[in-house]
Amino acid sequence: GAGVSQSPSNKVTEKGKDVELRCDPISGHTALYWYRQRLGQGLEFLIYFQGNSAPDKSGLPSDRFSAERTGESVSTLTIQRTQQEDSAVYLCASSLLPPQETQYFGPGTRLLVL
Amino acid sequence: AQTVTQSQPEMSVQEAETVTLSCTYDTSESDYYLFWYKQPPSRQMILVIRQEAYKQQNATENRFSVNFQKAAKSFSLKISDSQLGDAAMYFCAYRTPRIQGAQKLVFGQGTRLTINP
Repeated sequence: GAGVSQSPSNKVTEKGKDVELRCDPISGHTALYWYRQRLGQGLEFLIYFQGNSAPDKSGLPSDRFSAERTGESVSTLTIQRTQQEDSAVYLCASSLLPPQETQYFGPGTRLLVL
Repeated sequence: AQTVTQSQPEMSVQEAETVTLSCTYDTSESDYYLFWYKQPPSRQMILVIRQEAYKQQNATENRFSVNFQKAAKSFSLKISDSQLGDAAMYFCAYRTPRIQGAQKLVFGQGTRLTINP
């Protein structure tokens, strides 16, 4: 079946602009995660959605970052007033109900803030 | 907080030979999951192998196997008969098995594996 998809694949923006990144999880996956990967680094957890429960936002680095998810479908990650340090690859993952289930990743969105 | 350390930023191996990638972690929990993910230039994170901490037997997936030493908090990945397609960044990751809350993965910094023909 179809895997996790993300759009856009690449995004170049100017400092101070807002950007919106999209994630389409695998159908039926109740859990959805956003991670950030800076150049040459491992992944950092940003936010987690599980069904209709309140999201875990503990990894969001500042109040410029926010994310939404409607039910068990698409999620969007929004970064307001982008800064150069926001440049990174943003990866989305989904899974069936934790904790046993493996997370499956999308190809990521590479964000470059000029 | 849990941490994952990969002490080898880069490794290289001759095609068809065996290579071992190291990973150590720090946790106070007794039950957890460990993973190795592969990230080729396409950026897609691909699950290579997973290990449940309560299982004493080391996980294996075809040419990939792990050496899980729970007391030492060590989780190395062995790739046998290396192939050119194995070239990628490899990430070790830890996850708590808590029922509630984020089942977030905690990643190491990665090891870049090069396969020499």
